[in-house]
Formats: sequence, C-alpha cells, structure tokens
Amino acid sequence: EDQVTQSPEALRLQEGESSSLNCSYTVSGLRGLFWYRQDPGKGPEFLFTLYSAGEEKEKERLKATLTKKESFLHITAPKPEDSATYLCAERSGGSNYKLTFGKGTLLTVNP
Amino acid sequence: SAVISQKPSRDICQRGTSLTIQCQVDSQVTMMFWYRQQPGQSLTLIATANQGSEATYESGFVIDKFPISRPNLTFSTLTVSNMSPEDSSIYLCSVVGERFDTEAFFGQGTRLTVV
Repeated sequence: EDQVTQSPEALRLQEGESSSLNCSYTVSGLRGLFWYRQDPGKGPEFLFTLYSAGEEKEKERLKATLTKKESFLHITAPKPEDSATYLCAERSGGSNYKLTFGKGTLLTVNP
Repeated sequence: SAVISQKPSRDICQRGTSLTIQCQVDSQVTMMFWYRQQPGQSLTLIATANQGSEATYESGFVIDKFPISRPNLTFSTLTVSNMSPEDSSIYLCSVVGERFDTEAFFGQGTRLTVV
C-alpha cells in the first residue's frame, strides 16, 4: 500500500530561521510528488510538482527537491505569513489519478 | 487554475440526516474527486466522480453512504447519508484539468459537524 510520511509533525521557527520539511514516500513508479500549502479553514493550495529524482523547483522562499525515496521542502528566511500546514502527496502509476497524502507539517513562524 | 466553489462552507447536522455538498467549477475539467479530511488525519480520497456514470469508490467507502452525482463536466455533488458523529469532517472537492499529468486543485472545503 502506498504510504507517505511527513516529518516533523510540527515545526516552530523564528522569522529568518531557515529549515526543511521532509516527505518520505514508498510508491514504486512515481508519477508525481506534490506539495501543497493549507491555511486554516481553506482548501489545499498547489505549490509544486516533482517528477524525477534530482529535480528542484523554487517559488519565493520555498524550494522543493526530490530523491528516489524522499522530498524536501526547504524554507529560506521564512516570514510569519509562511505559517501554514504543508502537505505532501504522491501519485502512483496506473491509469487512475489518485493522490496519497501525508498528514502534513504544521509550520509556525514567529516574528 | 480552475476556480472551484463548494457549498455549503460549513454545516451542523443532526445524526441520522443527510447532507448534500455541491461543487461547481468555472471551466470544464476532465476529472473530479471527493476527499475527506478528518482531524489529525491525511486527506483521503473517497471517490472519483465520473461524468455520466457511477462514481468509482475507494476501499472503505460505499455508494449507499456517499452517493455522488456528476451530471456534466463542471458540477458534482456528494451526499453524506444517515450521518453519525464519526462523519464530522472536512469534505473537499478536487479537480484535474485536461492534461492528465497535472496538478489537482481543491475547493475551500465543507466543514461538517454531526451532533
């Protein structure tokens, strides 16, 4: 069974203190590794898709990277507005489109 | 990206009753899905809403409990039937565009509380 594990469950940073979130996946035949941001009371907001090991994508203070078993979301010099839950999801192979999500990392950035 | 509207945004319902959640998209989309997000748990796929045919349900979810309709390429409904407090959750509509290998977008969700 496909499984996605995110760590840590919660992370508290000071403004400007860089860190990384981890996402481990187990699926073989990965057809995409997705990162989403979710604010309280909102639906997930798409951030990145990664398809192959070695791939990197950046958006403002966020950079996502992918290895054969893990993905990292690096947050550089975070600001309080980066506080949110960050979700990772894998899409496995096959004809169906199905995302398997991790439980997320709750990030709090203090001013 | 598609604009997805879900109604209602939240509701409090009595056990034993049913609630229908609507999902409207501002453009035609290939695929529509319904997810559940229980407190402290991962987003879990309930079913794929197929246009003009019966939905495809994931393991652990059945049509009698979660009937789904998709009459066209921009609209779908999810009904939570015969509700119990265990059905209290956030229900989310999600869509994928024409390109199959693309990201999924989500609605704002419906927060359901069953008392």
